[in-house]
Amino acid sequence: AQRVTQPEKLLSVFKGAPVELKCNYSYSGSPELFWYVQYSRQRLQLLLRHISRESIKGFTADLNKGETSFHLKKPFAQEEDSAMYYCALRGGNQGGKLIFGQGTELSVKP
Amino acid sequence: GAVVSQHPSRVICKSGTSVKIECRSLDFQATTMFWYRQFPKQSLMLMATSNEGSKATYEQGVEKDKFLINHASLTLSTLTVTSAHPEDSSFYICSAGASGAVSSYNEQFFGPGTRLTVL
Repeated sequence: AQRVTQPEKLLSVFKGAPVELKCNYSYSGSPELFWYVQYSRQRLQLLLRHISRESIKGFTADLNKGETSFHLKKPFAQEEDSAMYYCALRGGNQGGKLIFGQGTELSVKP
Repeated sequence: GAVVSQHPSRVICKSGTSVKIECRSLDFQATTMFWYRQFPKQSLMLMATSNEGSKATYEQGVEKDKFLINHASLTLSTLTVTSAHPEDSSFYICSAGASGAVSSYNEQFFGPGTRLTVL
């Protein structure tokens, strides 16, 4: 079964502290993994995807196929990073649909 | 950039009435659109995949007769909640899949959502 698990519902850190938002997935093939972010009262937007291996707003995520994980990391959190973060999976031959994790609310305190 | 709009942004209706929500891709054509339902601070639950000119594909557990989806053109998909009840109150979000010049990897662009409240 396809599944995305984000074990932390809420993650609270102080400004400048490192952040790691966990994401584990279950998929039989080779999925595409994404991180989406939803700031307060804004629409969902793509943060990064595993294929591009890029750093966006200081965030990075590495796909670990052995551990079936795609954790999101940032070395120094900023207050403006406070938002809901969703990990998502897209499998092949499924019409492009995304399977989302439960989401993690990141709260960065001053 | 690729922009997706939804109308209305919020709607309040009486129990038993039907409500139509529109999803438009403003500056690109979307062969595929997706409809999600989101509860407060919870995940997006995919309801259905909508393909232009064909019937929508509903996820397991989603009543196709209750949530009517029409994708009549490459820029417009509509979701009609028929005979709405209070338990249908939720945040409904659409997304449109972009391809070609807009996105080389069929990125989904999300609408701002529609808050439905059924009294």
